[in-house]
Amino acid sequence: DAGVIQSPRHEVTEMGQEVTLRCKPISGHNSLFWYRQTMMRGLELLIYFNNNVPIDDSGMPEDRFSAKMPNASFSTLKIQPSEPRDSAVYFCASSPLRGPYEQYFGPGTRLTVT
Amino acid sequence: GENVEQHPSTLSVQEGDSAVIKCTYSDSASNYFPWYKQELGKRPQLIIDIRSNVGEKKDQRIAVTLNKTAKHFSLHITETQPEDSAVYFCAKERGSQGNLIFGKGTKLSVKP
Repeated sequence: DAGVIQSPRHEVTEMGQEVTLRCKPISGHNSLFWYRQTMMRGLELLIYFNNNVPIDDSGMPEDRFSAKMPNASFSTLKIQPSEPRDSAVYFCASSPLRGPYEQYFGPGTRLTVT
Repeated sequence: GENVEQHPSTLSVQEGDSAVIKCTYSDSASNYFPWYKQELGKRPQLIIDIRSNVGEKKDQRIAVTLNKTAKHFSLHITETQPEDSAVYFCAKERGSQGNLIFGKGTKLSVKP
């Protein structure tokens, strides 16, 4: 199993540009999570999906952030327009829907907004 | 709301010594408590977990203890080695919703 796959691994963009991060969960996992990690705020849950349905998006910082999961093997996190304070490492994780809920993380996308 | 308090935020030990990281939580509904290790520039990786029906679990040099009455759980690393240096995160299940709440992390440094 290739594990959780994320792309791109690094993204540098200018303020105001649209950024799209991509994630492919582990095959057979029905839950998918998007996290943001910064030194100041640690590891924050942004949104998670069960069976492709968004369950809790209360962690999404503002309307500039949106996430979709069109099918069981693909999810996107979009920031439009991006701002320098969005600079962080964004992790995607997946887990089986039914317990136990071990989450497996992807390698992350390091986003830098200048 | 639900949260997880993790202490200490940094920990420095000599190689061969033991390291203990503690986490406390506020609600009683959680049944699953994992620990993650994150090396510099890498992803968090699950190293051990414990469920509420047991009080202790051990895997070679690492062990986790859980006290549901007192609402705290701890990670114990014995005979520490330089490669144990990393940030360790505790986490707990958020109620029964299937997602996790993470502590702020403990940066462990093992000096050779």
